[in-house]
Amino acid sequence: KAGVTQTPRYLIKTRGQQVTLSCSPISGHRSVSWYQQTPGQGLQFLFEYFSETQRNKGNFPGRFSGRQFSNSRSEMNVSTLELGDSALYLCASSSGTSGEVDTQYFGPGTRLTVL
Amino acid sequence: GQQVMQIPQYQHVQEGEDFTTYCNSSTTLSNIQWYKQRPGGHPVFLIQLVKSGEVKKQKRLTFQFGEAKKNSSLHITATQTTDVGTYFCAGRGSGGSNYKLTFGKGTLLTVNP
Repeated sequence: KAGVTQTPRYLIKTRGQQVTLSCSPISGHRSVSWYQQTPGQGLQFLFEYFSETQRNKGNFPGRFSGRQFSNSRSEMNVSTLELGDSALYLCASSSGTSGEVDTQYFGPGTRLTVL
Repeated sequence: GQQVMQIPQYQHVQEGEDFTTYCNSSTTLSNIQWYKQRPGGHPVFLIQLVKSGEVKKQKRLTFQFGEAKKNSSLHITATQTTDVGTYFCAGRGSGGSNYKLTFGKGTLLTVNP
C-alpha cells in the first residue's frame, strides 16, 4: 500500500498570506488528522476528519481550517499567516473505525516557513 | 482539557545502558500509543495499549499501561545507537470532547557509542 503523501513538502510564505496544504491518506483509510510540530510545543493536534466531517478539533484559532473530500483526501488552510505559524505540519491517516487498532500513519510533513 | 505530560524531555545514555520514559495523563484514557520519530523523519507507530495494567514487549522494548489507565512507560533494555530518536506517547481520551489523541512532548534519546 502506498503511504500517506503530503504536498507540498516545503513552503515559504510571508506574514499575512494564506496557505493550503494537502494530504492523501492510505487507501481505505477514512480518518485524517492534522498536527503542528514545533521544537518547543511538540506535536499539537489541529483537527480530525472522518468521512468528510470534522470529528474533533484542537485549540487553534479560527485561522486554521480544514476539510475532507469524498475520496478521503484532506486539505488544511491557514489564513493571515503569522511568524509563529512556522512549523512542520503533519498529516496522519487511520482507519477511523471503532474497535480497530488506532494506529496513526504519518506522512512526511510540510515544512512551512513564514517570513 | 486533556493533558499528557512526558518525562524526561531529554536523555543521553551510553550504548548498553537502559532507558525509560514516562507518560502521565490528566484524564483516564481509552488507549495509549507510542511513537518513535527519528531525526528528520516523521513519527512511526510502535504499539498501542488498551487494557488496565497491560504490559507488552517488542524485543528490547517493554511498554506498560497503568492500572488507572492514566500513566504509561516505555523501557528500552541495553540501548543501541539505532534507538536514537524522540519517543512520544499519545493518549486517546475516553469520549466526547476528550476523544482526540493528545501527544506528550516527547523524550529525545541520544546514545553514545
